[in-house]
Amino acid sequence: AQSVTQLDSQVPVFEEAPVELRCNYSSSVSVYLFWYVQYPNQGLQLLLKYLSGSTLVKGINGFEAEFNKSQTSFHLRKPSVHISDTAEYFCAVSDNYGGATNKLIFGTGTLLAVQP
Amino acid sequence: DAGVIQSPRHEVTEMGQEVTLRCKPISGHNSLFWYRQTMMRGLELLIYFNNNVPIDDSGMPEDRFSAKMPNASFSTLKIQPSEPRDSAVYFCASSFWSSGGEQYFGPGTRLTVT
Repeated sequence: AQSVTQLDSQVPVFEEAPVELRCNYSSSVSVYLFWYVQYPNQGLQLLLKYLSGSTLVKGINGFEAEFNKSQTSFHLRKPSVHISDTAEYFCAVSDNYGGATNKLIFGTGTLLAVQP
Repeated sequence: DAGVIQSPRHEVTEMGQEVTLRCKPISGHNSLFWYRQTMMRGLELLIYFNNNVPIDDSGMPEDRFSAKMPNASFSTLKIQPSEPRDSAVYFCASSFWSSGGEQYFGPGTRLTVT
């Protein structure tokens, strides 16, 4: 069975500082990987996704993530955060064994708290 | 495109009452998902449909919960009877049915059962 672990429930960071949000997954098959962001009182919005190809994926709002198969990780990074990046970030995984399913397994989320 | 539409946005009801949440997916999408989000349990997948057919309802907590998708543009999630522990934010999401398909989320319905 697949699972996703987000090691940090909350990450405080000062404005303009770099940040990394960690995500590790467990799966017996090849996977697709996603990062979603949830702003207060809103639904989830896709930041970026890894399906295949280059392991470095760039997303919206200056975020990027790197797929590391050997470490089963998909950490999210941003070189300089803004107050407006304060939100909950979710890592998610789906399998790509060819079963044509798009069911996602979500992590527990990491609250990014950007301080002035 | 209006995105995924959910109604109502907020619902307050008394224990024992029937609650119906509604979702209109993005036009052309053929997969629809219902999620529940709470502080204690995080984001949980309740059920999902492909081409209006329920594929996996293993996340539905108990028989008090039921979901239908009578056509490609409408789905309901019903709780009968409702209990205080059902209080949560319920999200609907839709996507194209393909491996790796991005899910588009609605704004959610905040349900409070007193």
